[in-house]
Amino acid sequence: EPEVTQTPSHQVTQMGQEVILRCVPISNHLYFYWYRQILGQKVEFLVSFYNNEISEKSEIFDDQFSVERPDGSNFTLKIRSTKLEDSAMYFCASSGSGLNQETQYFGPGTRLLVL
Amino acid sequence: AQSVAQPEDQVNVAEGNPLTVKCTYSVSGNPYLFWYVQYPNRGLQFLLKYITGDNLVKGSYGFEAEFNKSQTSFHLKKPSALVSDSALYFCAVRFTTSGTYKYIFGTGTRLKVLA
Repeated sequence: EPEVTQTPSHQVTQMGQEVILRCVPISNHLYFYWYRQILGQKVEFLVSFYNNEISEKSEIFDDQFSVERPDGSNFTLKIRSTKLEDSAMYFCASSGSGLNQETQYFGPGTRLLVL
Repeated sequence: AQSVAQPEDQVNVAEGNPLTVKCTYSVSGNPYLFWYVQYPNRGLQFLLKYITGDNLVKGSYGFEAEFNKSQTSFHLKKPSALVSDSALYFCAVRFTTSGTYKYIFGTGTRLKVLA
């Protein structure tokens, strides 16, 4: 069964450093999403992406964040200058088109720790 | 404001007993409703969804959910709980705003099934 993959599984970085989290969505999916989950808390929507542009973003997704689909398979989330409060689990998700567009399939997540 | 509520942080149930995990929502229009499960150190796995039609929807692992429009609820149920059902369960809603789709998640309910 196709699945969403994410790399790395864990990343430790120093405050102020840039990080890039990578995702490979399910191959025929057209909609892509990033969420984060601070330890023990709820899943928070960050951004959705369709047709090579951001379709929706939350208040969390400020100028420090960016997303990109650099090629036909990867979908990346970049945090330009990390802060301690960016420490969280980041989940990528993708969904198909038409009748399958509404169901999101999630990757296993990247655990980011900012020191 | 659009919101999803899971009123119980934790639900404990004995193995073999029926379980219910509650979800209510406050969203404009006719939202799509989802349940996801998260096992420790894993991503979210799709369980089931309601879009339209029969109010009782069946999903993975023997789970089902009942949509109640008048009560704006979408409770997750299972007739006979297993210890392996112990996990974190998230209710989610997709709705349309300003022509785009938006997803919001509940805060999660930890289900503990006791042997």
